[in-house]
Amino acid sequence: QSALTQPASVSGSPGQSITISCTGTSSDVGSYNLVSWYQQHPGKAPKLMIYEVSKRPSGVSNRFSGSKSGNTASLTISGLQAEDEADYYCCSYAGSSTYVVFGGGTKLTVL
Amino acid sequence: EVQLVQSGAEVKKPGESLKISCKGSGYSFTSYWIGWVRQMPGKGLEWMGIIYPGDSDTRYSPSFQGQVTISADKSISTAYLQWSSLKASDTAMYYCARQIQLWYDYWGQGTLVTVSS
Repeated sequence: QSALTQPASVSGSPGQSITISCTGTSSDVGSYNLVSWYQQHPGKAPKLMIYEVSKRPSGVSNRFSGSKSGNTASLTISGLQAEDEADYYCCSYAGSSTYVVFGGGTKLTVL
Repeated sequence: EVQLVQSGAEVKKPGESLKISCKGSGYSFTSYWIGWVRQMPGKGLEWMGIIYPGDSDTRYSPSFQGQVTISADKSISTAYLQWSSLKASDTAMYYCARQIQLWYDYWGQGTLVTVSS
């Protein structure tokens, strides 16, 4: 069982918006603004899409946005494109003992 | 250009030892933590641990403490992940990644480790 809970799958049509949730606890997501999101295409290494809850690295489309409320972080992708079809993972700092935890991953299907 | 280049795929038998590598270039290798992440076949990402090559300070996930050893040789800008006695359940893709504060901005291409008798 993963430390952070994500839906196994989400889907949307091109042009639509989708949101992926990432639920943790008051020991990780709820306590730190250190949530990041990664995109992974099949057979490829993960790619950083969002860091510090809502910041985008240079080169990442502004169609990707992040937010957090309480123990739940969210990744929203607007204007869905076929190339967005991938697995998405959230990640959070979890204190000095556990340190870092990932979510179980969400498979995004663009219909 | 920042790059992390990992060693090639390995096929090992249960009980054998293994050390895989991750060579950094294009940045000050001693100034950033390097993390290791496991991905078992068809499964999600699991954080294993990190090392600061500048002084070899190391942190492990409780799930991997005692199961693997993370090390680094700063003279050749290379981090390592090693096992003393592999199990079939160690079969997975292993990624190294550069840590910026508490997220990972550059990733290696992955090393596939297959453990089978």
